[in-house]
Amino acid sequence: EAGVAQSPRYKIIEKRQSVAFWCNPISGHATLYWYQQILGQGPKLLIQFQNNGVVDDSQLPKDRFSAERLKGVDSTLKIQPAKLEDSAVYLCASSAYRGGPSGELFFGEGSRLTVL
Amino acid sequence: QQQVKQSPQSLIVQKGGISIINCAYENTAFDYFPWYQQFPGKGPALLIAIRPDVSEKKEGRFTISFNKSAKQFSLHIMDSQPGDSATYFCAASSPSGGYNKLIFGAGTRLAVHP
Repeated sequence: EAGVAQSPRYKIIEKRQSVAFWCNPISGHATLYWYQQILGQGPKLLIQFQNNGVVDDSQLPKDRFSAERLKGVDSTLKIQPAKLEDSAVYLCASSAYRGGPSGELFFGEGSRLTVL
Repeated sequence: QQQVKQSPQSLIVQKGGISIINCAYENTAFDYFPWYQQFPGKGPALLIAIRPDVSEKKEGRFTISFNKSAKQFSLHIMDSQPGDSATYFCAASSPSGGYNKLIFGAGTRLAVHP
């Protein structure tokens, strides 16, 4: 079974520039997550999709971050304009969860962003 | 109430020793407590998980101990090996609202010395 795919793996941009990250979840997984992991910290949830609807974006800095999940499959996370503090690894995860008790999340390898 | 507090931040253990990492939570709606292992340059991967209806779960050298009344859980790594050197995250998940939301602790960087 193919895992969660993310691209690009690495990106270096100047502050105030824009960047986009792409995620392809495990086939059939209804729930998709974007996490931000700053060096030395635990992953922080930015946004959670159930199919193509947003169910939690309470920690997404909406003035600069946006995300979409068209057709309930792939997702794109965009940052515009980027700030120095956005330097982090952006992790995409997916889950087969469709209700009932909580279950496992499967993570991609992440996209490392450096903002200069 | 959504936080998961993890300690210690870092841990050094000799090969063959026992590694112990602790976590505490507040939200009694959490129903799933996984531990994730992360190697440099990789995403977190599920190591072992427990639900609150059991007090202990063992998989090979890895054991979760769960204390529901104290709202604490811990990971024990027996016979620690250099290959176990990684960052370990505890997490907790709640299905409240019909959505599977996973909250992570801050992580423990484990180094196992030969």
